Amino acid sequence: DSGVTQTPKHLITATGQRVTLRCSPRSGDLSVYWYQQSLDQGLQFLIQYYNGEERAKGNILERFSAQQFPDLHSELNLSSLELGDSALYFCASSVAGTGGDEQYFGPGTRLTVT
Amino acid sequence: GENVEQHPSTLSVQEGDSAVIKCTYSDSASNYFPWYKQELGKGPQLIIDIRSNVGEKKDQRIAVTLNKTAKHFSLHITETQPEDSAVYFCAASKDGGFKTIFGAGTRLFVKA
Repeated sequence: DSGVTQTPKHLITATGQRVTLRCSPRSGDLSVYWYQQSLDQGLQFLIQYYNGEERAKGNILERFSAQQFPDLHSELNLSSLELGDSALYFCASSVAGTGGDEQYFGPGTRLTVT
Repeated sequence: GENVEQHPSTLSVQEGDSAVIKCTYSDSASNYFPWYKQELGKGPQLIIDIRSNVGEKKDQRIAVTLNKTAKHFSLHITETQPEDSAVYFCAASKDGGFKTIFGAGTRLFVKA
């Protein structure tokens, strides 16, 4: 158990809908990262937050947004969902949020768009 | 741009044999190289990492080597066991940078 929690574990929704994925980092970690993993694919970095502020952006679609709250939990919002958005979404956390920082991953949320 | 290439994409070994997975990175400023193991239905788990001031690091049956000149690093698993079967990801990042670049992953099968 990494100490990173994600909810829900599974999510099934229809195209065009909007969902919110939630992540709580390990105790003491200030940075949260979001990754997307499509079927049999690698980890695509979406976005990173550090202590409430956006720090780095990857290949995140405009339909997707995220935020980190004062209690350090983070939410990833996915809107106007398409079939291709079906994937595993992982959250990771680290202490300082800089390169060279160990990242610890949560168990993921499996999103299925029908 | 920054890139990490990982080979092979699939590796099948007999139980007890060794397995080697290789990665090459493009950004010469990279100085932190973690390896993650992802079992089916789970999140990636950090299993070992190495920093650029070290050439090799060992943890029981797992070792990682780093060649900064050639910009490549490798994961070595000795005496493989069926429970080593998983997808392994290498990654690279650098102090002061914010992104960790992941390789595409290697699916390791250990046959009993």
